[in-house]
Amino acid sequence: QKEVEQNSGPLSVPEGAIASLNCTYSDRGSQSFFWYRQYSGKSPELIMSIYSNGDKEDGRFTAQLNKASQYVSLLIRDSQPSDSATYLCAGDAADKLIFGTGTRLQVFP
Amino acid sequence: NAGVTQTPKFRILKIGQSMTLQCTQDMNHNYMYWYRQDPGMGLKLIYYSVGAGITDKGEVPNGYNVSRSTTEDFPLRLELAAPSQTSVYFCASNPYPRVGGQPQHFGDGTRLSIL
Repeated sequence: QKEVEQNSGPLSVPEGAIASLNCTYSDRGSQSFFWYRQYSGKSPELIMSIYSNGDKEDGRFTAQLNKASQYVSLLIRDSQPSDSATYLCAGDAADKLIFGTGTRLQVFP
Repeated sequence: NAGVTQTPKFRILKIGQSMTLQCTQDMNHNYMYWYRQDPGMGLKLIYYSVGAGITDKGEVPNGYNVSRSTTEDFPLRLELAAPSQTSVYFCASNPYPRVGGQPQHFGDGTRLSIL
């Protein structure tokens, strides 16, 4: 069964620090990977997508993909209390996405 | 631009009742999905559709049915509600999962309680 695995956390970091969120996937055929942020009681919202090996930066967010190791990560620089949420990693599997169970991030002042 | 619209936002059902959760998208996306999310858990795929007239089971289809008569609409039906179906239900859509790696767009969710 194709899986995407994440550490459930919580991951606690102080304000201003770098938060590092990790994800592994089992399907070597997956080509596209996504990070979604989900605030409590809200729907997931896309924050990053990555398709090629290496890093992709967007503001304070950097996604990293290593297809050989089947590993995806998300770095959040200068973490803010407003970044406190659950972060879902997803990889494509044919006609659908496989989601991890999410990592809860807590940024404390 | 409305995106993905789900109705109702909240609903309480009695055991054994039936209901339909509505999902409509105005982005002309071929692919649509229904997920459920239990408290503190990730998203579990119930059913999905790759176009009008085509549906397929996901990870947890038991107790649910779907239909896709138009590109825009993808309703989810619960026939005999059970307490185990208490959850938050999300509908999502995208144009195509792999070409360009199109992400899924989510509706705001339906909170369903079965008592």
